[in-house]
Amino acid sequence: QKEVEQNSGPLSVPEGAIASLNCTYSDRGSQSFFWYRQYSGKSPELIMSIYSNGDKEDGRFTAQLNKASQYVSLLIRDSQPSDSATYLCAVNSIRGGTSYGKLTFGQGTILTVHP
Amino acid sequence: DVKVTQSSRYLVKRTGEKVFLECVQDMDHENMFWYRQDPGLGLRLIYFSYDVKMKEKGDIPEGYSVSREKKERFSLILESASTNQTSMYLCASSLLGRYQPQHFGDGTRLSIL
Repeated sequence: QKEVEQNSGPLSVPEGAIASLNCTYSDRGSQSFFWYRQYSGKSPELIMSIYSNGDKEDGRFTAQLNKASQYVSLLIRDSQPSDSATYLCAVNSIRGGTSYGKLTFGQGTILTVHP
Repeated sequence: DVKVTQSSRYLVKRTGEKVFLECVQDMDHENMFWYRQDPGLGLRLIYFSYDVKMKEKGDIPEGYSVSREKKERFSLILESASTNQTSMYLCASSLLGRYQPQHFGDGTRLSIL
């Protein structure tokens, strides 16, 4: 089982719709969760972080965390063509008992928002 | 804003050459990381460092070494470049601790001919 799993997609949504991106993780001890956006040919850019169960909203983005189900999601409301990118889920890694800020990344979900 | 600067955006080298990739961050971060990213394989951790002169192997350290002589600078070294090391290389930095996000540089697209 992969440590962090995402649907690879591609996920295609019409402009104005809600895009829902999902991520599951295997390490029950993980405590911090991040979403990165990566445009083609560019480096990952942090867009959301979440640490507690529940929802966290930032503009059109909402991150949702359910530690019991080991599930984290990202909702993008009013999707725009400029949201078309690969979205990476990242979870802090505590293998070996230490963290040091290591993250384990999912493979990413490709999102396409069409006009 | 955090600034992570990688020395080259594009680099072309020949097999057998010793290749240096440099990364500098300006936010006094303890942690620095080197990843490579390949289509279908995602981000893979090569090495990371949590302090000056400290380093730990990541998931794919073979064929690579690193150097961290100063807190702000983390170098990745390909001892004898091979064609299978052609990839996008990404440097990242973060504060120490389990709640800290990583911040990435722009990446270096390295081609080994």
